[in-house]
Amino acid sequence: EAEVAQSPRYKITEKSQAVAFWCDPISGHATLYWYRQILGQGPELLVQFQDESVVDDSQLPKDRFSAERLKGVDSTLKIQPAELGDSAMYLCASRDRGNTGELFFGEGSRLTVL
Amino acid sequence: TQLLEQSPQFLSIQEGENLTVYCNSSSVFSSLQWYRQEPGEGPVLLVTVVTGGEVKKLKRLTFQFGDARKDSSLHITAAQPGDTGLYLCAGGDQTGANNLFFGTGTRLTVIP
Repeated sequence: EAEVAQSPRYKITEKSQAVAFWCDPISGHATLYWYRQILGQGPELLVQFQDESVVDDSQLPKDRFSAERLKGVDSTLKIQPAELGDSAMYLCASRDRGNTGELFFGEGSRLTVL
Repeated sequence: TQLLEQSPQFLSIQEGENLTVYCNSSSVFSSLQWYRQEPGEGPVLLVTVVTGGEVKKLKRLTFQFGDARKDSSLHITAAQPGDTGLYLCAGGDQTGANNLFFGTGTRLTVIP
């Protein structure tokens, strides 16, 4: 069964360091999302790609966060420098074309900033 | 960002009881989805509703989309321990941008 792959599964880093997360969506899915989820809360949209283009990054803290999906397939989310408040689960999801289809999520990358 | 408030935030009930989770917003959504998330995993889709007033049933779960497409509810009949998890509603915006905004979440614990 096709699934969204994310790595690393866990990341512990010290504040001011750089971190990067990788996501490989389900093959053929045009739309890719990065969400941040604080424990016990709902996911917060950080950035949305349609193919290789950014559709919405209004909630992405651009002074320290960046995201790219150069070839419209896999994607990288980077944080530099990391801050204590960035500790969270970073979820990647993908969806086929259309706006009522299911979002398929990866298992997430849990970041702890010390 | 379009805010979806869920209530209650936490719910702990005995096996066999019924419960309802609410999802409310001041925004109109083109569609509304419900997901369930278990610890250490990503959310998994339960249902999608797209028409105001629509009701969908999935075994013991009943989902309703409000007439004005601003709110939704999830009702579980005879809850079981396997229903334990974080329930999330998610609204699709009407701009055509294909965004999906998640609610604040309801953590359900069903005690055997």
